[in-house]
Amino acid sequence: GENVEQHPSTLSVQEGDSAVIKCTYSDSASNYFPWYKQELGKRPQLIIDIRSNVGEKKDQRIAVTLNKTAKHFSLHITETQPEDSAVYFCAASKGGGSNYKLTFGKGTLLTVNP
Amino acid sequence: KAGVTQTPRYLIKTRGQQVTLSCSPISGHRSVSWYQQTPGQGLQFLFEYFSETQRNKGNFPGRFSGRQFSNSRSEMNVSTLELGDSALYLCASSAKTGQDGYTFGSGTRLTVV
Repeated sequence: GENVEQHPSTLSVQEGDSAVIKCTYSDSASNYFPWYKQELGKRPQLIIDIRSNVGEKKDQRIAVTLNKTAKHFSLHITETQPEDSAVYFCAASKGGGSNYKLTFGKGTLLTVNP
Repeated sequence: KAGVTQTPRYLIKTRGQQVTLSCSPISGHRSVSWYQQTPGQGLQFLFEYFSETQRNKGNFPGRFSGRQFSNSRSEMNVSTLELGDSALYLCASSAKTGQDGYTFGSGTRLTVV
């Protein structure tokens, strides 16, 4: 089955710096890649997603890039703020047929220091 | 628009007991998935239902089961509880495929003692 590796497991940055989280996936049939943010004690929330027919997607300070050949995708957060501190999860899905499930990476704890 | 509602929020059970967790999806959403979240294993897929049919199942023992009702509400059941079943159980709903975006509930925190 699908396997998603996520790095780093922890990331500490200064406010205003950029943060990059990387994920690799194993199943070349995967075609949907969402990112979730989970603050302490709260539910995971979808912050951005990308499909395999797109190489990059931006939403204000957040961007995601996808390299299908290398089977990896990355989350970029620019101008980080203390409220960006959370655990971020990447996931992959191939959809279709009976494959309606997300396989998650183990998560990255991002700490933004004021 | 109401979000995904999970009940109860917290549960404490004894080894060997069984437990039933409930999930009400966003109105109009027909796909409901369940995930187990633990510090060591992260988010692991349990199963997914659409229109009362289980479309996919993760690698969990048969003690874990679920169902979906005609109103899209879903329940999951864990029988013969073990200490290792202690976790946050999250339900997520989407309109149809999951690739249209999953919305998670706040979860049920299950503690097995």
